[in-house]
Amino acid sequence: QKEVEQDPGPLSVPEGAIVSLNCTYSNSAFQYFMWYRQYSRKGPELLMYTYSSGNKEDGRFTAQVDKSSKYISLFIRDSQPSDSATYLCAMTRGSNYKLTFGKGTLLTVNP
Amino acid sequence: GAGVSQSPSNKVTEKGKDVELRCDPISGHTALYWYRQRLGQGLEFLIYFQGNSAPDKSGLPSDRFSAERTGESVSTLTIQRTQQEDSAVYLCASSKGLQTYEQYFGPGTRLTVT
Repeated sequence: QKEVEQDPGPLSVPEGAIVSLNCTYSNSAFQYFMWYRQYSRKGPELLMYTYSSGNKEDGRFTAQVDKSSKYISLFIRDSQPSDSATYLCAMTRGSNYKLTFGKGTLLTVNP
Repeated sequence: GAGVSQSPSNKVTEKGKDVELRCDPISGHTALYWYRQRLGQGLEFLIYFQGNSAPDKSGLPSDRFSAERTGESVSTLTIQRTQQEDSAVYLCASSKGLQTYEQYFGPGTRLTVT
């Protein structure tokens, strides 16, 4: 079993839709949970990170962590064509530990 | 401010040749990371520097791979005797201190081994 599982998609939605992206993990030692956005032929861009369980909101983006279920989510409200990218989840035990990434979900938002 | 930069952006090399990939981290970022991203795969951790020491080299796939860092600035990833399976995008990231959860990535070097 991989440490981090992420459905690769692809996921295609109409503009304005609410998008839900998810990852599951197996290592209960993970404490920090990140979401990165990667446009084609670009490096990943950090969207947000969350420590432990709970929600975090930044504009149209909301990250949720449920440590009891080992499940994390990223919600995108009012999705835009510019949100079309691959979304990568990542997690780590904490400072001085490497990140473990999911394979990424390819999202297309159609105008 | 300037982000992480990497060079070259693309590199095509023949099997068996050595290649050097360069990373310039964000100024003031003491930690630097190298990752490999194969087509359709997630990011694979290679090595991590804190300053110019490498506490975690666990991801280097073989002894053909090595990396060094000068002080708290430039890092070079060297692949000797390249193989076709080394073809990938090599990404570098940096972070302030030990905040490994807040890494900022460069655009990557796309390596093709023919």
